[in-house]
Amino acid sequence: AQSVTQLGSHVSVSEGALVLLRCNYSSSVPPYLFWYVQYPNQGLQLLLKYTSAATLVKGINGFEAEFKKSETSFHLTKPSAHMSDAAEYFCAVSAKGGGSNYKLTFGKGTLLTVNP
Amino acid sequence: EAQVTQNPRYLITVTGKKLTVTCSQNMNHEYMSWYRQDPGLGLRQIYYSMNVEVTDKGDVPEGYKVSRKEKRNFPLILESPSPNQTSLYFCASSPRDRVGYTFGSGTRLTVV
Repeated sequence: AQSVTQLGSHVSVSEGALVLLRCNYSSSVPPYLFWYVQYPNQGLQLLLKYTSAATLVKGINGFEAEFKKSETSFHLTKPSAHMSDAAEYFCAVSAKGGGSNYKLTFGKGTLLTVNP
Repeated sequence: EAQVTQNPRYLITVTGKKLTVTCSQNMNHEYMSWYRQDPGLGLRQIYYSMNVEVTDKGDVPEGYKVSRKEKRNFPLILESPSPNQTSLYFCASSPRDRVGYTFGSGTRLTVV
């Protein structure tokens, strides 16, 4: 079974400050890991994904995440927050290997607020 | 343009009135799935399909049905909607490599 824990349902930062959104996962097999962003009244947009290549993954809009197997973590970071980054962010895991359910298991989400 | 198309985007209905939310993808993906999103709960899988005529339950299948008669379409059917099915619904598809999930724009359903 796989699960995702996002620490902090709400994170607030100042414009220009570091953004750090935390994600820890559990999976019985090596996982694929994803970060999605959801702007108000919109669908899910893929920010980045880890698929067992480089452990540091760069995504869109200046975001990146590092896969740390020893810590079972996949935290999302951005060096300098912009007002346009205000949205809800979801971490998700999908197990590689056998089975027919390519289920994405999502965390409960972290709402990012950016203050001017 | 590669996409997953859901219709309608918004729907208000009454308890017990059957409805169907359509989902169609143009990427020839084998795998399709439905999720519902509720505040504080994230997204939870309702049903999934690995290929035509192959469907199975996800985590919260009660009150829902699906069918997969064609590879591109995966409709979600609520035979007798209830207020606890008020939610935001997303359809997603993926090829076999599991790393190319594409989501639809969502359907916001309100059952009164």
